[in-house]
Amino acid sequence: SQKIEQNSEALNIQEGKTATLTCNYTNYSPAYLQWYRQDPGRGPVFLLLIRENEKEKRKERLKVTFDTTLKQSLFHITASQPADSATYLCALTLTGGFKTIFGAGTRLFVKA
Amino acid sequence: DTAVSQTPKYLVTQMGNDKSIKCEQNLGHDTMYWYKQDSKKFLKIMFSYNNKELIINETVPNRFSPKSPDKAHLNLHINSLELGDSAVYFCASSQEYGQGATEAFFGQGTRLTVV
Repeated sequence: SQKIEQNSEALNIQEGKTATLTCNYTNYSPAYLQWYRQDPGRGPVFLLLIRENEKEKRKERLKVTFDTTLKQSLFHITASQPADSATYLCALTLTGGFKTIFGAGTRLFVKA
Repeated sequence: DTAVSQTPKYLVTQMGNDKSIKCEQNLGHDTMYWYKQDSKKFLKIMFSYNNKELIINETVPNRFSPKSPDKAHLNLHINSLELGDSAVYFCASSQEYGQGATEAFFGQGTRLTVV
């Protein structure tokens, strides 16, 4: 069956450390993968997009990797801050581009 | 200045009623979507429209009927509401669909509660 899995447990880290979130998928052929941030009571906000032929993307303190062999993406936030506390959603857009599937998200708590 | 706006933000209604949620985007995007986020926080696509035409209909009950009067608007009408329809509904838009598609911009959501 097709699945997208993100850490279901919340991730608690200390301010200044690097947060690493995982997204694993099975039986999908994604054209690209996206990461979104969602705060309580708000809609998801786009962070980064990485295509199937790319290994790594960076944007400021954010870095995403995409391994289509392992069927895994890692999302890193370096020098984390309490303001980074939110739910982070992984999303696969399938080949053909018509459909984007979201994972359930991982809640991140950054303690001061 | 809101890019994607939905109304209402909250909607409480009784079972069996018919209700609509409106969505407008001012980004000039060609593609708009409706997503449903349930209590377990899964965000599932319901419909996708490109240039006012339906592209994706994800096995949603036919009590749900989207309507796109123009590229900037995608409304969602729900007939005969059921308890299981309670969720947060998000409208979104993106610049293109297909291989050229980019990120989606989401509205703030409509929390629908059916009692």
